[in-house]
Amino acid sequence: DGGITQSPKYLFRKEGQNVTLSCEQNLNHDAMYWYRQDPGQGLRLIYYSQIVNDFQKGDIAEGYSVSREKKESFPLTVTSAQKNPTAFYLCAVQRNNEQFFGPGTRLTVL
Amino acid sequence: AQSVTQLDSQVPVFEEAPVELRCNYSSSVSVYLFWYVQYPNQGLQLLLKYLSGSTLVKGINGFEAEFNKSQTSFHLRKPSVHISDTAEYFCAVIRMDSSYKLIFGSGTRLLVRP
Repeated sequence: DGGITQSPKYLFRKEGQNVTLSCEQNLNHDAMYWYRQDPGQGLRLIYYSQIVNDFQKGDIAEGYSVSREKKESFPLTVTSAQKNPTAFYLCAVQRNNEQFFGPGTRLTVL
Repeated sequence: AQSVTQLDSQVPVFEEAPVELRCNYSSSVSVYLFWYVQYPNQGLQLLLKYLSGSTLVKGINGFEAEFNKSQTSFHLRKPSVHISDTAEYFCAVIRMDSSYKLIFGSGTRLLVRP
């Protein structure tokens, strides 16, 4: 969806480093989500936020952190505590009962 | 708890042939149902959705799906596929009473051969 941007598209990091993935939206939707995608698996929910300054853990929150200081932005930090961070990360926003996805960031740990 | 099962991890089919991608779900409450498509290294795009009304839902790119409540299924179909339909397809559900958490199946890779 053109109203959701994720950057960078590709990201490489060394073991032990924290890294932050950006997600921005201009759709004026309240709810935002972060998912992780691994080969052969469906998407798994990391964190979600339904309003500014509030967020909830999803199914696999360990090793990740988020913030929601602005309606437009929902950055995800992958910390050194995440043991297997190499994956494709997708951000989404929700309007009514539909979720719209950004283009994704592929994170590779070297 | 809800779960979504896509039994076929990969479906090979020849161009212009019909295809059906299967999706079954389990839930103790009523759900909304969705099919998404993902092309390589891209995000997910909504193909179609069932919220209420007619159980036969038509989506983009000539796809359709039928909601069968008794069989808890939401199979995706297309009468004639194209090479460009090669992609990963995900079925997903969301609870009607708490519509914030989308539960995904593991995906089916549709491989269209010439």
